Parts: sequence; structure tokens; C-alpha cells
Amino acid sequence: AQSVTQLDSQVPVFEEAPVELRCNYSSSVSVYLFWYVQYPNQGLQLLLKYLSGSTLVESINGFEAEFNKSQTSFHLRKPSVHISDTAEYFCAVNSDSSASKIIFGSGTRLSIRP
Amino acid sequence: EAGVAQSPRYKIIEKRQSVAFWCNPISGHATLYWYQQILGQGPKLLIQFQNNGVVDDSQLPKDRFSAERLKGVDSTLKIQPAKLEDSAVYLCASSFWGGRELFFGEGSRLTVL
Repeated sequence: AQSVTQLDSQVPVFEEAPVELRCNYSSSVSVYLFWYVQYPNQGLQLLLKYLSGSTLVESINGFEAEFNKSQTSFHLRKPSVHISDTAEYFCAVNSDSSASKIIFGSGTRLSIRP
Repeated sequence: EAGVAQSPRYKIIEKRQSVAFWCNPISGHATLYWYQQILGQGPKLLIQFQNNGVVDDSQLPKDRFSAERLKGVDSTLKIQPAKLEDSAVYLCASSFWGGRELFFGEGSRLTVL
């Protein structure tokens, strides 16, 4: 069975500071990994994904995540956050053994202080 | 391109009443999902459809929840009778056949009093 653990339920940071949101997964087969973002009162939107190839993936708004197979992690980072990044972030995993069953973590609420 | 449409956005009912949520997926998306998101938790899959067939409903409380996807397009999720613990946001998502990226609607927030 696959699972996802997001170690921090809340992460407060100052504007323009760097941030890392942690995600660890467990799976007995090859995985595909995702970060989704949920802004207040909105649905989830895909932020970035790892399917294959380069282990470092980037989003259009400056976030990046690195797939680390040995540590079973897919942490999300941004070198300098903005007020507009305030949202909840969900890590998700999908495995080869179940083509379309996607499991979500419990989420990390990122709050940006001016 | 139109996104996933859901209605109603908000619903307040008393326990033991019934409620229904509607979802219209993105045109051409064969797979449709209903997720339950309880405050402070991640989305939990309730049911997954491939066209109008059920692929996975292992976490759907079938004694009170039901869902259907007519003609492989729109879907309705019903709760009858509702319990206090059903208070949550019900998210509908869709994807291409075999696709791994989900496209979500804005959700339907249910409050059971």
C-alpha cells in the first residue's frame, strides 16, 4: 500500500524568506509524485509533478521539488516567498500498481508574514 | 476551456436530511473522482468512475452515500441520511483516461447541523 506523510501541518515564514515543505512517501513500486496547491475557497491546482526523467522539477512560479528515491522524499522548496504564496499545499503519490489511484497527504498550510 | 463545474458551492442541512451534489467534468475526460476533504485533512477518495463504470468505491460509506455518472459525463453524489461527521468539502475532479494529473472543481462545502 502507498502512503504520504507531510510532516508539518503549518509553516509560517517571512516574506522573501526561503521555505521548504516536507513530504515523504511509502510505496513498494515505482511512484509518480505531485504537489497540489489550494488557495482559500478554491479547488486544488497542480503545482508540479515528477513522472520520470530529471529528479528536479520546477513550477512556473518559482517552486521546485526534488525526487529522492533513497530517502523516499519529494520536498517542495522556494528560495524567496511572496504574500501570494499563502495557501495550503498537498503532496500526492500515484503508483504503477494502480494507474489512477492518487493518495494525498494531510496538507501543509503556508502562511507568509510581511 | 471550461473547467470542472460543481454545484452547489455551499449547503447547510440538519442531520438525517439528504443532500445531492452535482459535477460536470472537463469535456473529453473519461475519469471522474469524488473526494471528501474534512477540515485540516487531505482529500480522501470516495469513488472513481471510468466513463460510467465504477473503478473504485472502497472508501464510500455505502449505507448512506451513493453516486452515479449518467452517460459517462455528469455525476451526482448523494448523502442520505446525513450525519454530523459528513461536514466537509466535496471535491470533484476529472482526468484523461490513464492520466495522472487531476483537474479539480472548486468544491461543495457541506455543513451538517
